[in-house]
Order: sequence, then C-alpha cells, then structure tokens
Amino acid sequence: EIVLTQSPGTLSLSPGERATLSCRARQSVISNSLAWYQQKRGQAPRLLIYGASSRATGISDRFSGSGSGTDFTLTISRLEPEDFAVYYCQQYGSSPYTFGQGTKLEIK
Amino acid sequence: EVRLVESGGGLVQPGGSLRLSCAASGFTVSSNYMTWVRQAPGKGLEWVSSIYSAGDTYYADSVKGRFTFSRDDSKSTLYLQMNSLRAEDTAVYYCARGAREHTSGWFYFDYWGQGTLVTVSS
Repeated sequence: EIVLTQSPGTLSLSPGERATLSCRARQSVISNSLAWYQQKRGQAPRLLIYGASSRATGISDRFSGSGSGTDFTLTISRLEPEDFAVYYCQQYGSSPYTFGQGTKLEIK
Repeated sequence: EVRLVESGGGLVQPGGSLRLSCAASGFTVSSNYMTWVRQAPGKGLEWVSSIYSAGDTYYADSVKGRFTFSRDDSKSTLYLQMNSLRAEDTAVYYCARGAREHTSGWFYFDYWGQGTLVTVSS
C-alpha cells in the first residue's frame, strides 16, 4: 500500500496570501496518478486536480498542482475566503487507492 | 447534470447488516467505474470498494469478505451490502464516479454524493 503523508497538518494564512501544500509518497506514484480534493465542513470532497497537475472542470486557475514520483505540491496562488478548508491528496494508480491524512487550511 | 444521492445509513448493532444505495443520474452507471469511499467522524478519507463497467469489483482489505458492491443498471442505482458490521465501520459513506485519465488509464473520482452516515454501536 502506498502511504501518503501530507504537510503541514495545519496551515494558517490570510486571504490574499499564497498557500503551498505538500504530499509525499513512501513509494513512487504510478504514472503520477495523484489527485487533490477540497473538503469543507459537512460537505463531500470536491475534485481539484488530477494527474498531478491537471485542473478539474470549473476549478479556478488559482489552484495548481505539480510534482512527480514521490513529491507533489498543491499551490493556491491568492487565497480567497472560500478556500479555507481541508485538502486531501490521493493516489489512484495502485490499489488500495490511498489518501493522505489531510491539511487543514485555516484563516490566520 | 451528474448527481449521486446516497441513502440507507443509520444505527446498527455490531454484527448487524445494512445496505446502502446510491442513486445516479445524468450519466450511464453501467458504463462507468464507480466507487465507495468512507470517512470516520473527524478522520480522513478511506477507499472502500470499486466496480468497473464490466462488473469486476475490488475491496479494501478492511472490508473484504464482509461488504459487497453491486449495481442495478435498470435503476441506475449502486448498492453496498455491509455485513458483520464493526464499530470501526462507523463513518459517512460516499459514492463517487470514476473518470478515466487519458494518459494513464487510471480512474480518479470526479463527482461525489453528499454521503450517508452509518453508526455501528450497541
């Protein structure tokens, strides 16, 4: 099983700032099959990024994904109030399809 | 518009059974890869099971032999039959649609339902 570790656990920033979230895999993610999801309290996860760097339909270009192999990054260029949520990375190239433990992005 | 609506959650005693449903609309269930993901209270996401369009099913080790994923194409509905339930199965269960990535051929989860809560407790 591919273990994904996200850092930091909590990130405190202000609107307008840039957020950088990390996801590290214990072994290489097959074909960079890495997705990022946003989850707000009481809501279902929402797909942001797939294939490590492709934005999902309707996702703002403030969100970008990068990385390959074992190290991946989600960047939010200019934080808006609605961006404060929990973010999960997930690898879907190798069963079981594992998620990171999440990074909580909170308002400073 | 793609829509997924889960139902069937509730309170069940340890060792009991429950069947979750996921009603799909806006796309053809039989042609798509579908999955169940769960989230224990205050915890992260955990993949549970997937079904391919051909009907092949796959399960996490934690539920293998106890859960069964099926679908009724005529009703555009997916089911998760959960038997021998344990306290650690307590979670919100989400169904999600898989979308095939063109480059790799693997499936990421592009649409999610709102989830249904299963509580296993005496």
